[in-house]
Amino acid sequence: NAGVTQTPKFQVLKTGQSMTLQCAQDMNHNSMYWYRQDPGMGLRLIYYSASEGTTDKGEVPNGYNVSRLNKREFSLRLESAAPSQTSVYFCASRDSSYEQYFGPGTRLTVT
Amino acid sequence: RKEVEQDPGPFNVPEGATVAFNCTYSNSASQSFFWYRQDCRKEPKLLMSVYSSGNEDGRFTAQLNRASQYISLLIRDSKLSDSATYLCVVRLNTGGFKTIFGAGTRLFVKA
Repeated sequence: NAGVTQTPKFQVLKTGQSMTLQCAQDMNHNSMYWYRQDPGMGLRLIYYSASEGTTDKGEVPNGYNVSRLNKREFSLRLESAAPSQTSVYFCASRDSSYEQYFGPGTRLTVT
Repeated sequence: RKEVEQDPGPFNVPEGATVAFNCTYSNSASQSFFWYRQDCRKEPKLLMSVYSSGNEDGRFTAQLNRASQYISLLIRDSKLSDSATYLCVVRLNTGGFKTIFGAGTRLFVKA
């Protein structure tokens, strides 16, 4: 039982490049989330998916897109990376008691 | 004003000490409360939920004060392994998803 997995763990992009962050969970959770974490700011929600086939914007969606491919997988895409998107990205899923389970994170640097 | 505020610390305490963190929230629609722990360069993990009557889990005690809109976390007999950042988390009852993470309080326990 791997929990929540994320790939890649580290990534360096040049401004304007695109990439997709992958996330998968094996806990059969309906809800999945993408956050970014920046120093002194706490986790901020980018997008979430309450169930397979639905996605909604969070607090900071600009510059990102998501796909809920199936119940297990929820990917985050940066179409044209900007230095302001340098951050640590966490994927999470939630159980029925509202506990969130996080993946190990992706450290992204945009130069 | 941030919706969830925490003293960033750091709190530097010796092993065996008792340390307490407070967290204030501004939205009266806040329904559920949690403390998460985040080790350096790792993902957040649930430490404990916070119940209205207060609750204890070993050396950890969480309290909720709805009237003053704050929650607290007390750690007794601190261990070196308690060194981490503690995140206060609030879930709002506003329909749809709204969970807010505080920026965290850093704790260093020294031998």
